[in-house]
Amino acid sequence: QVQLQESGPGLVKASETLSLTCTVSGGSIGGYYWSWIRQPPGKGLEWIGYIYYSGSTNHNPSLKSRVSISVDTSNNQLSLKLSSVTAADSAVYYCASGKRGYSLSGYFFYYMDVWGKGTTVTVSS
Amino acid sequence: ELTQPPSVSVSPGQTARITCSGDTLPKQHGHWYQLKPGQAPVLVIYKDEERPSGIPERFSGSNSGTTVTLTISGVQAEDEADYYCQSADSSDRHVAFGGGTKLTVL
Repeated sequence: QVQLQESGPGLVKASETLSLTCTVSGGSIGGYYWSWIRQPPGKGLEWIGYIYYSGSTNHNPSLKSRVSISVDTSNNQLSLKLSSVTAADSAVYYCASGKRGYSLSGYFFYYMDVWGKGTTVTVSS
Repeated sequence: ELTQPPSVSVSPGQTARITCSGDTLPKQHGHWYQLKPGQAPVLVIYKDEERPSGIPERFSGSNSGTTVTLTISGVQAEDEADYYCQSADSSDRHVAFGGGTKLTVL
């Protein structure tokens, strides 16, 4: 089964850009959807966005202007960049593989079937 | 918006039901995740009632219109975790999570 491992700086200064990488092993990044999700301390999950291996993306509207998600198929990695961070961006960040489609009645669905263990990012002032 | 009860408590061997309510659920599928501290989250139910391989049969799901329900029959101590429902938002384009439910096994 595919495995995912998030990596990146655990501490980022306010107003700077948070950069994380997710390395996919046990399978190819090609042909699939890949997601970023986060969980601030003591709060619930928040979807950040997803990307298809070809490069098309879909982001949370509340974060869209600050978020950039990309894939590197040659290295089997996906990346997240979040600009102009504040303390509110402190969270555990997860990457996950996803499945996208449309129900029989034609409505969009997306779910995340395999997750990494997450990496903690703290934004300091 | 998806609404879950903050907490549910059951004794071992009993049945736990965790609900998730939202106006989009009559049209859109619900999915469920199990979160335990320090571990990778796990998908336990997808597309309302489908169970991924490797998930015990005691986990089941249903959709009754504006509510999707995760049912855990014969709860075990290891099922103690936070559970999150997830669906699409009202735009039918983006992902939305419920607020999460802490399942306590007494």
